[in-house]
Amino acid sequence: RKEVEQDPGPFNVPEGATVAFNCTYSNSASQSFFWYRQDCRKEPKLLMSVYSSGNEDGRFTAQLNRASQYISLLIRDSKLSDSATYLCAANNAGNMLTFGGGTRLMVKP
Amino acid sequence: GAVVSQHPSRVICKSGTSVKIECRSLDFQATTMFWYRQFPKQSLMLMATSNEGSKATYEQGVEKDKFLINHASLTLSTLTVTSAHPEDSSFYICSASGVENTGELFFGEGSRLTVL
Repeated sequence: RKEVEQDPGPFNVPEGATVAFNCTYSNSASQSFFWYRQDCRKEPKLLMSVYSSGNEDGRFTAQLNRASQYISLLIRDSKLSDSATYLCAANNAGNMLTFGGGTRLMVKP
Repeated sequence: GAVVSQHPSRVICKSGTSVKIECRSLDFQATTMFWYRQFPKQSLMLMATSNEGSKATYEQGVEKDKFLINHASLTLSTLTVTSAHPEDSSFYICSASGVENTGELFFGEGSRLTVL
């Protein structure tokens, strides 16, 4: 079993839709969690950190459920520019990030 | 956020040659840098953890004699792919943690290696 797992998608949604991604992690010792966005042939860029209390940044909301060992990302009012691959990551000791396989989102006009 | 620069962004080489990729932290000191590899449509896979002034720690299945990592200063780590072969063609990305040690990693722009 992979340490961090995601549904690869693709998720094809119309503009304006709300879409949610889940990500599960197996290492209960993981300390912090992140969502990264990766555009084709580019490096990942941090989208947001994920806190137990949940956090929101504009149209994006991230949640962490430690009991069930999953994190989620909700995107409201999808834009064409949101089309990308979204990677969840879990941080273990020593700042080492383990990434999920990524979920591809395609927002259509 | 902290800036990490990677060079070259793209390299094409013949099979059997060696290729060096540089990763620099531009505005902070990075005692630890990480090297990832990403094949098309796959996730980033950690290759090794590079610690300034000491030997790198390689992940299982990564050949340390093939992927030489040097972290001689607090702002520079290099990855040398020795005797490259077509199967080494991939996207190599370095990253470093910021001084605040929040767990967030800052990534270089990545280096796309194509071995002919």
